[in-house]
Amino acid sequence: AQKVTQAQTEISVVEKEDVTLDCVYETRDTTYYLFWYKQPPSGELVFLIRRNSFDEQNEISGRYSWNFQKSTSSFNFTITASQVVDSAVYFCALSENYRGGATNKLIFGTGTLLAVQP
Amino acid sequence: NAGVTQTPKFRILKIGQSMTLQCTQDMNHNYMYWYRQDPGMGLKLIYYSVGAGITDKGEVPNGYNVSRSTTEDFPLRLELAAPSQTSVYFCASSSLTGIGTQYFGPGTRLLVL
Repeated sequence: AQKVTQAQTEISVVEKEDVTLDCVYETRDTTYYLFWYKQPPSGELVFLIRRNSFDEQNEISGRYSWNFQKSTSSFNFTITASQVVDSAVYFCALSENYRGGATNKLIFGTGTLLAVQP
Repeated sequence: NAGVTQTPKFRILKIGQSMTLQCTQDMNHNYMYWYRQDPGMGLKLIYYSVGAGITDKGEVPNGYNVSRSTTEDFPLRLELAAPSQTSVYFCASSSLTGIGTQYFGPGTRLLVL
């Protein structure tokens, strides 16, 4: 069965600290997609990144970076020099598979609440 | 482009009442979804649609109904509202080519008393 686990329920850091949000997934499929979404206090869900299972290159976007490791089934998200505006719930998600193919349905983790203190 | 829009933003219902949550997208996406988000929980899929006229159940469909008569609209109907349906409801859409990348509406907060 497919599953996404975000073991960190809440993380609190002080501004300018680096923080890593963990995401571990389970799937038997060789083709799949992984995602991160941000939900700020205003409530909307904002798409951050999508990676496919064949691309293990780390990605950096400004202060955000993602580390995808198939060997450990992890897709971790690091925020460098955190800011108060980074305070949000972050969700990791996995594309659901159907008969060996990735579908457009997503399986979400339960989210990690990140609080960045000034 | 407005993206995905949802109305209303907030609603209070009495037990047993019915209502329709509206969702519209202007990105010409084939796929549309309805989720509910309970406090401290992730998103649970209620219903989804792969195109006009085609809908299917998700993880938690009981107490809800949907229809998809056009590409743009995907309303969610609550029949006989119950306190357990108090939640935040999100509509999302995605294209055929962007596997899984869903774009979300701002959400509807529903309180059933």
